Amino acid sequence: DMKVTQMPRYLIKRMGENVLLECGQDMSHETMYWYRQDPGLGLQLIYISYDVDSNSEGDIPKGYRVSRKKREHFSLILDSAKTNQTSVYFCASRGTTYEQYFGPGTRLTVL
Amino acid sequence: QQKVQQSPESLTVSEGAMASLNCTFSDGTSNNFRWYRQHSAKGLEVLVSIFSDGEKEEGRFTAHLNRANLHVSLHIREPQPSDSAVYLCAANSNNYAQGLTFGLGTRVSVFP
Repeated sequence: DMKVTQMPRYLIKRMGENVLLECGQDMSHETMYWYRQDPGLGLQLIYISYDVDSNSEGDIPKGYRVSRKKREHFSLILDSAKTNQTSVYFCASRGTTYEQYFGPGTRLTVL
Repeated sequence: QQKVQQSPESLTVSEGAMASLNCTFSDGTSNNFRWYRQHSAKGLEVLVSIFSDGEKEEGRFTAHLNRANLHVSLHIREPQPSDSAVYLCAANSNNYAQGLTFGLGTRVSVFP
């Protein structure tokens, strides 16, 4: 079964703190993605990773950075989190077909 | 950039009746489309992916794509209360590695 995992599932941080969201997949997929989902805006693409150390900005990269040192792991980093980064964050991975498989999401609250 | 609009915003159907959801996209650059289901506070579950004009059936879910009209629909046959969720339409681009562009979703409620 295709599986994408995300940790943590829930996170509360204060404004200005650093945030690390982790994503893992066990399918050896090359391409991985980070999205955020907000009411009224839907899902928006933050970053794409084509493979280890090969990353590209999505539609809303400002305030975020990513790291991919192993094919199975893709991290989203918020340096000095802001309240407007409160959202649900989804990771996805894509194999040799067009299909993207999504993780269960991380609900981040920045106070 | 491709934009995706979904209608209606919400839909209430009786168990066993057909549910129909619509999705229109802004231009003809996408070459594949999919429908996802998202239960409250959960991840996205892909229901149907469609790549060419016509119909594609996956169990009780049927997608219909009409590129000329920039339209893709989803029909849920014999919906059950467990089908109550938000349904998201998404379009990919010709560059298969790019992310998906999503609509805002249709909230479906199925009552016994």
